Amino acid sequence: DAKTTQPPSMDCAEGRAANLPCNHSTISGNEYVYWYRQIHSQGPQYIIHGLKNNETNEMASLIITEDRKSSTLILPHATLRDTAVYYCIVNRGSQGNLIFGKGTKLSVKP
Amino acid sequence: NAGVTQTPKFQVLKTGQSMTLQCAQDMNHNSMYWYRQDPGMGLRLIYYSASEGTTDKGEVPNGYNVSRLNKREFSLRLESAAPSQTSVYFCASTEGQGVGAGELFFGEGSRLTVL
Repeated sequence: DAKTTQPPSMDCAEGRAANLPCNHSTISGNEYVYWYRQIHSQGPQYIIHGLKNNETNEMASLIITEDRKSSTLILPHATLRDTAVYYCIVNRGSQGNLIFGKGTKLSVKP
Repeated sequence: NAGVTQTPKFQVLKTGQSMTLQCAQDMNHNSMYWYRQDPGMGLRLIYYSASEGTTDKGEVPNGYNVSRLNKREFSLRLESAAPSQTSVYFCASTEGQGVGAGELFFGEGSRLTVL
């Protein structure tokens, strides 16, 4: 069961902010929202996670709506190196492991 | 700081051959994981080890065995490789104990082809 919905692909101009949406309408009260990305065929890379409050780190900002049914990952000044598949994760398998879906393929264009 | 190191990076096997994928982390993490990634399938958990000396099955354990040799190393063995095991394998680790920890550190992957 997919607990998150992300657009399959997005484009962004280099230097502009990239805003990646994620819907998670069935999220439960104690589930965190995690974001990872995977550049080309490299291993996934952790970006950020949050529960209720907005979060910011050196890579990105995470905005979670008040009802927690959706969130947005913001890359403030996208570069070509930010071209990757971005995964929004709230779902866990039967062993409690994070489940990586298909994500959003972000293409940053010059 | 190397992080999570996987060997080999590429391997071609014939059906029925055996091999072991090696994984080592230098971050003193408790938990380690093996995932496989197939086109259009996302990452699927094969096995995990919540702490040294323990291992547990993930979502797709059939055809694999694992060994948590010590806190640093977690190996994945294919006893009799099959074409369905052609995939990219990722090892990951995290500081937390247990499979539920969220901030995973991944290796660069091992690309396995079974003919």
